Amino acid sequence: DTGVSQDPRHKITKRGQNVTFRCDPISEHNRLYWYRQTLGQGPEFLTYFQNEAQLEKSRLLSDRFSAERPKGSFSTLEIQRTEQGDSAMYLCASSVPGRTQGIQYFGPGTRLLVL
Amino acid sequence: GQSLEQPSEVTAVEGAIVQINCTYQTSGFYGLSWYQQHDGGAPTFLSYNALDGLEETGRFSSFLSRSDSYGYLLLQELQMKDSASYFCAVEHGQNFVFGPGTRLSVLP
Repeated sequence: DTGVSQDPRHKITKRGQNVTFRCDPISEHNRLYWYRQTLGQGPEFLTYFQNEAQLEKSRLLSDRFSAERPKGSFSTLEIQRTEQGDSAMYLCASSVPGRTQGIQYFGPGTRLLVL
Repeated sequence: GQSLEQPSEVTAVEGAIVQINCTYQTSGFYGLSWYQQHDGGAPTFLSYNALDGLEETGRFSSFLSRSDSYGYLLLQELQMKDSASYFCAVEHGQNFVFGPGTRLSVLP
């Protein structure tokens, strides 16, 4: 499969616990994005990587959220001290600049439920 | 900041043509994209307008008018499988801002 993959697909955790999600982008894509989506809403931008550099981070992202892309390939998103309001679908997307500008390829998402 | 507006719901019958509008307020952007998302699925890319005018891709077309801060997605020959949510998104700087989505229901 050459698409974007995410792991796990579902996560149930108790409030206050830490969770970590993984995203594997399409191999030749140097841009990687994380989004959060709640029911009935569009994806909300969280952060963006170009290769291993985190170039932009949403002001909405609290300091409980951190993302890494250590070797410019896969990325992880960690949420510390989870809150019930963190329950959402977390989407990862990748893209290549240039001719395919404007096109993002999304993974299947990780659905998080915080009890 | 950037904000986009879309109708929340649209209903049409099989074989019909439907237009989903998107208006935006942004200080500047590279282009307008459209994505389709079925329930429980991931958004998938449909169309992109970097310049004003119409882009056609099979049954789907997209239009952009920067002077009017407006775009639309046109779906022709509707099929039941087109029932989904449709999102417009502006590419602004290093990130994408998505609209709230329009839920399209296609009736037999």
